[in-house]
Amino acid sequence: DADVTQTPRNRITKTGKRIMLECSQTKGHDRMYWYRQDPGLGLRLIYYSFDVKDINKGEISDGYSVSRQAQAKFSLSLESAIPNQTALYFCATSEGVWGGETQYFGPGTRLLVL
Amino acid sequence: AQSVAQPEDQVNVAEGNPLTVKCTYSVSGNPYLFWYVQYPNRGLQFLLKYITGDNLVKGSYGFEAEFNKSQTSFHLKKPSALVSDSALYFCAVRDPASGTYKYIFGTGTRLKVLA
Repeated sequence: DADVTQTPRNRITKTGKRIMLECSQTKGHDRMYWYRQDPGLGLRLIYYSFDVKDINKGEISDGYSVSRQAQAKFSLSLESAIPNQTALYFCATSEGVWGGETQYFGPGTRLLVL
Repeated sequence: AQSVAQPEDQVNVAEGNPLTVKCTYSVSGNPYLFWYVQYPNRGLQFLLKYITGDNLVKGSYGFEAEFNKSQTSFHLKKPSALVSDSALYFCAVRDPASGTYKYIFGTGTRLKVLA
């Protein structure tokens, strides 16, 4: 969805490096999320934010941190990258009734940690 | 605990034939259920959802799904498959009674529509 953009689209890094993945949205949604996708495992939630001052850990937050710089921007950082963080990362936003909202996903960032 | 299962890694169907992609779930309360589709090199796109009301839900691109509480299923269907429907399909569930924000995604089913 062009309303949710992610940069970079592809990234190769080395073990121990700090990297940041960025997400921007023009949909005007308050809620934003970071997921990772691994083959055979579906999507797993890393962090989510319901507004600029509200950030929550998801099911796999260890080794990650986030920053909600503005309503439209939500960044994911890997403090010290390790090979098992190699995955496809998606940012998403949502609107609608609490719990039943539709999520809108960015195109993804493919990360390879060597 | 919430869980969702997509028992088939891949489904093959001939163009023009009906298709079904299966999803079963487990939650303690009444579920919110979703289907998303992922095309190559793209993010997930919303297809349809069940929150409450009519058990048959109609969504984008001619897809529909039926909520079956007794069988705890939410299978995705389409009467006539197109080659362009070939993609990866994800079922997701949320239990609003859980008190936590947590969507559980299935592992995905790859649909291949053969010309």
